[in-house]
Amino acid sequence: GAGVSQSPSNKVTEKGKDVELRCDPISGHTALYWYRQSLGQGLEFLIYFQGNSAPDKSGLPSDRFSAERTGGSVSTLTIQRTQQEDSAVYLCASSLVRGQFSNSPLHFGNGTRLTVT
Amino acid sequence: GDSVTQMEGPVTLSEEAFLTINCTYTATGYPSLFWYVQYPGEGLQLLLKATKADDKGSNKGFEATYRKETTSFHLEKGSVQVSDSAVYFCALRTSHSNYQLIWGAGTKLIIKP
Repeated sequence: GAGVSQSPSNKVTEKGKDVELRCDPISGHTALYWYRQSLGQGLEFLIYFQGNSAPDKSGLPSDRFSAERTGGSVSTLTIQRTQQEDSAVYLCASSLVRGQFSNSPLHFGNGTRLTVT
Repeated sequence: GDSVTQMEGPVTLSEEAFLTINCTYTATGYPSLFWYVQYPGEGLQLLLKATKADDKGSNKGFEATYRKETTSFHLEKGSVQVSDSAVYFCALRTSHSNYQLIWGAGTKLIIKP
């Protein structure tokens, strides 16, 4: 497919368990973003990968959250020892950010709805 | 630091009313400005953008003009429809911030028939 793909689309987990959320960005996109959106709320920035630069992790809410991006493509967001307040929709977006495409928009996936019981 | 401020919602209008959603920004350098829309139960998608002062972005009857003198990028539509009900996000991006997007809090729009 041509869009950003996220999996799973829904995840229900018990408090204290670890979860991994996956994002497949659009091929060739150098920038990848993770956001969190709680019900009825705006976007909360989590982490940003841009090319070979060190990721901007300034939005990660705690050390239970981590993310990696392998080979400049697929990204995995890991939440360890999940808590109920982690319940939200986790959104991934990618963008082409290079040269003349520096103003390209973000393309969002449909998100992973995480419910911690 | 860079920031985006949007009018608080929800904004409730009747069908065919004129819409304005205010967005103002603070940024170093020369940002590009965006409006994204999130329809109920769907993901975010780009609505329109403008990359330099006095540019007007437009799409689906919506317009926004990049006003550097007032640091604003207000979203307007002449006649709204029920199908326009959604959450609208204003955002900016600059090379100064390594192309990170800075988001407004979002404005929920409710159109009543």
